[in-house]
Amino acid sequence: DAGVIQSPRHEVTEMGQEVTLRCKPISGHDYLFWYRQTMMRGLELLIYFNNNVPIDDSGMPEDRFSAKMPNASFSTLKIQPSEPRDSAVYFCASSDTGQGASEQYFGPGTRLTVT
Amino acid sequence: KQEVTQIPAALSVPEGENLVLNCSFTDSAIYNLQWFRQDPGKGLTSLLLIQSSQREQTSGRLNASLDKSSGRSTLYIAASQPGDSATYLCAVNTGGFKTIFGAGTRLFVKA
Repeated sequence: DAGVIQSPRHEVTEMGQEVTLRCKPISGHDYLFWYRQTMMRGLELLIYFNNNVPIDDSGMPEDRFSAKMPNASFSTLKIQPSEPRDSAVYFCASSDTGQGASEQYFGPGTRLTVT
Repeated sequence: KQEVTQIPAALSVPEGENLVLNCSFTDSAIYNLQWFRQDPGKGLTSLLLIQSSQREQTSGRLNASLDKSSGRSTLYIAASQPGDSATYLCAVNTGGFKTIFGAGTRLFVKA
């Protein structure tokens, strides 16, 4: 398996523009997570899905952020409108159910810069 | 509210030294604990996963222990090498797949 795939790897955009980040989880994994990493706040869980259904979105910072998972192999995280404070590295991770909580496998991340 | 703390924040050691990274958490009601490695500009690589019923896990030169009652975990790295230089993150799963990460320990192993 190719692992968790994220695109784009880097995104530079201007304040006010819409940004869409994409993630393809590992095939067979039924949990998908979106994280944000900044120097100030470290790694934070934004939202996670189970079987394509959002389970906990309490980490989503504002209504400007939205996430969808239309099928088992694809998820998006959208920011509209973007602001400079959204600049961060956004990671997607996936996991399977397994016996108890299983390991999370992370993608390489998308480095977002909002100017 | 679960909080995860990692000490030290940074560590520099000579090659060949054995070292211990520490992780503490405030709520002992955890599902599991995972140690990750992060290289600069890259994603996270899972090193070891310890379920709440386990005391330790080993992989090669790495050994992770878990003491739920005291809210502590340690990652032991034997015979450190320059290639071990990275940031090491501790993450606690509090159930429902909600994971809380520590701020990490930046490790530099000098050749």
